[in-house]
Amino acid sequence: AQSVTQPDIHITVSEGASLELRCNYSYGATPYLFWYVQSPGQGLQLLLKYFSGDTLVQGIKGFEAEFKRSQSSFNLRKPSVHWSDAAEYFCAVGMTTDSWGKLQFGAGTQVVVTP
Amino acid sequence: NAGVTQTPKFQVLKTGQSMTLQCAQDMNHNSMYWYRQDPGMGLRLIYYSASEGTTDKGEVPNGYNVSRLNKREFSLRLESAAPSQTSVYFCASGAGFLAKNIQYFGAGTRLSVL
Repeated sequence: AQSVTQPDIHITVSEGASLELRCNYSYGATPYLFWYVQSPGQGLQLLLKYFSGDTLVQGIKGFEAEFKRSQSSFNLRKPSVHWSDAAEYFCAVGMTTDSWGKLQFGAGTQVVVTP
Repeated sequence: NAGVTQTPKFQVLKTGQSMTLQCAQDMNHNSMYWYRQDPGMGLRLIYYSASEGTTDKGEVPNGYNVSRLNKREFSLRLESAAPSQTSVYFCASGAGFLAKNIQYFGAGTRLSVL
């Protein structure tokens, strides 16, 4: 069965420290890969996406993600976290063969930033 | 830049009441989606529509109906609300496979069923 796993439900990080959020997927082929961020009380905003090519992709707000085919992973990183990065982060995958553009989401990782 | 607009933002219902959640997009997207978000479960697809006049079930369609009124609007109806439908509902739109499944989200409707 196809699945998206975010192993960490909750992460606490100090402001200025680095952040890495994990995402693993189980699909027959390399899917389209996304990270979305949801600030409190808000909708989801696209942080970055991977379709093909260079396995390190840059996104908005200083985030980057690395696709590793051998590990079926698409981990999100930020070198230095700001208090405004406190939010919930969702990894999502889309099948390249899906004509309707559906996405499957992970359960999310809640990030808390401490002073 | 309106993007995807959802109304209402908050709603409290009593068990058995009905309501319709409205969604409109101004990006000329063919595809539209309704999700529900529950703690620890991420977003789960309720229904989607690939084009005007077509709809299909997602992962959790029971208890819901949808209408794709035109290209811009996609509504979600709860005919007889149940406490299990307490959730945050998100509408999204996208160009489907033409845009490699990128979706854009509204701000959500927070629904409580008592």
